[in-house]
Amino acid sequence: GAGVSQSPRYKVAKRGQDVALRCDPISGHVSLFWYQQALGQGPEFLTYFQNEAQLDKSGLPSDRFFAERPEGSVSTLKIQRTQQEDSAVYLCASSLLGSNEKLFFGSGTQLSVL
Amino acid sequence: DQQVKQNSPSLSVQEGRISILNCDYTNSMFDYFLWYKKYPAEGPTFLISISSIKDKNEDGRFTVFLNKSAKHLSLHIVPSQPGDSAVYFCAATGGGADGLTFGKGTHLIIQP
Repeated sequence: GAGVSQSPRYKVAKRGQDVALRCDPISGHVSLFWYQQALGQGPEFLTYFQNEAQLDKSGLPSDRFFAERPEGSVSTLKIQRTQQEDSAVYLCASSLLGSNEKLFFGSGTQLSVL
Repeated sequence: DQQVKQNSPSLSVQEGRISILNCDYTNSMFDYFLWYKKYPAEGPTFLISISSIKDKNEDGRFTVFLNKSAKHLSLHIVPSQPGDSAVYFCAATGGGADGLTFGKGTHLIIQP
């Protein structure tokens, strides 16, 4: 597609439930990023892929968070045993080449954990 | 510890006037700075960027100024238009870091 696509657009989960968030980056983009944006805050870095390789996962807040990009295109962010503090908008972004280039963001998935 | 700070949560400017959005940073390893614009229910979109080897970059109505000694950058929009009403995020990268470090954003409101 023309832009970065994320699904679902909204997700409501009960505390303790597992969730999976999907990102389709712009075709041909090598780099893919996941960010978490809490209410009233700026996006915060979670993890970075170059093709299928996860080069940086230093921003993942706990071992309940897991991301993959097995074929170097679509990526999935999985959160196990969700907690209320996981409620946020999860943004995916891609760039053509290196990590310092301007990023193209999707519209995000708004996760609400009840 | 916030490495990128936008100290004005909101700013109101009259249509046609200049909008000035400010951003301060603390990490001296940052060498590339970007501004993103965000409308409600959409992801941020890239607006303009500047490398640390420059002190000014201009693109149409948008100009970014960088003062490295003060660790300060600003975004000027002139003239301001109603469509400029949005949240503006300052972001920075450098020192081998992956991804961008964002400020909390400034909500710009352009009044007719």
